Amino acid sequence: GAVVSQHPSRVICKSGTSVKIECRSLDFQATTMFWYRQFPKQSLMLMATSNEGSKATYEQGVEKDKFLINHASLTLSTLTVTSAHPEDSSFYICSASGGLGYNEQFFGPGTRLTVL
Amino acid sequence: SQQGEEDPQALSIQEGENATMNCSYKTSINNLQWYRQNSGRGLVHLILIRSNEREKHSGRLRVTLDTSKKSSSLLITASRAADTASYFCATDADDYKLSFGAGTTVTVRA
Repeated sequence: GAVVSQHPSRVICKSGTSVKIECRSLDFQATTMFWYRQFPKQSLMLMATSNEGSKATYEQGVEKDKFLINHASLTLSTLTVTSAHPEDSSFYICSASGGLGYNEQFFGPGTRLTVL
Repeated sequence: SQQGEEDPQALSIQEGENATMNCSYKTSINNLQWYRQNSGRGLVHLILIRSNEREKHSGRLRVTLDTSKKSSSLLITASRAADTASYFCATDADDYKLSFGAGTTVTVRA
């Protein structure tokens, strides 16, 4: 099956710093990538959808200036959490879709962000 | 946005028993998918069922879909300790975004 990687798997940072998370599709070209956020023992909430070469589409309530998304190539999307605060601590998961007729998304292993 | 609700929220069974969990959704869908998530890990795709399908099997998994009731069920037969995980249903409509249910946490006791 298709493989999606995320880096880093865990990151701890101080409040006020910015953190970049990478999402890569390793063996297919991802026309669309999705970023989700998951709080402990809760479901995944879609944050934004990004298509290669165009601006990301953010879900209602997600601050685009806070969560910067760049989908620069067909295999890489990045999420930058700017000026992180403790409330941004969460599990961030990306997924990638190769634009098949149905929406099969391949998920990365997730990144655990802890903001002190 | 989240449109699915799953029940039960948690399920504890003995190894070898079957586990059944249900998912309900609110709007019309193209497909419904089930995913597994081990603690602190990413999601693993289990099975996709299209809106015009009623039942699908994959190994020890059986999924049903009732579009008139807007509900789906996932049955895991002959459960194993390795099946311990959270299970999520996810639906997609015309915009191809996935909307996840709240999840069912399954614990399989040895």
